[in-house]
Amino acid sequence: EAGVTQFPSHSVIEKGQTVTLRCDPISGHDNLYWYRRVMGKEIKFLLHFVKESKQDESGMPNNRFLAERTGGTYSTLKVQPAELEDSGVYFCASSQTRNTEAFFGQGTRLTVV
Amino acid sequence: GDSVTQMEGPVTLSEEAFLTINCTYTATGYPSLFWYVQYPGEGLQLLLKATKADDKGSNKGFEATYRKETTSFHLEKGSVQVSDSAVYFCALSLSSNTGKLIFGQGTTLQVKP
Repeated sequence: EAGVTQFPSHSVIEKGQTVTLRCDPISGHDNLYWYRRVMGKEIKFLLHFVKESKQDESGMPNNRFLAERTGGTYSTLKVQPAELEDSGVYFCASSQTRNTEAFFGQGTRLTVV
Repeated sequence: GDSVTQMEGPVTLSEEAFLTINCTYTATGYPSLFWYVQYPGEGLQLLLKATKADDKGSNKGFEATYRKETTSFHLEKGSVQVSDSAVYFCALSLSSNTGKLIFGQGTTLQVKP
């Protein structure tokens, strides 16, 4: 069974550009989470989907970030326009239910120059 | 607010040495506690967990005991191997939503032959 897959693995963009990160959860997992680790600091929660609905987006840093999960399958996280402080590693995780183990992807390393 | 604090790394050990990575937490209520590991080039993997006070989580020779009185969840291993070299993250969840985690900063472990 395929695990959580994230695309791309690395992205380097200029300040002011737009970037879209994609996460494919494990098939059948209704719960999908986005996290971010900035500059070797702690990994911080961004938001939580249950199927296509945003359950909790309390960690989204500002309105330059837009997450979607159309159809309740894969999810995208768009940053527009990107700023230097957005650089970091973005992780996606999925779980079958709210209280079962969440499985993480390898992360997307975003560098904004 | 709720938080997790880990000892700063990097930690460098010789093979077969004893490992302790300290983790303390601040939380309201009764959190569940986790250790995640990220091996080079891979995603985060759940290493072990404990859901209530005095529980001991264990996996792959690693152990951690949930100590409510000291609000700690220190990770230990009696004899590390080169293959244990990775970044270790302590984390907690505050509700039955185990996918919404609060992480520590991560501790890099390097084991030399």
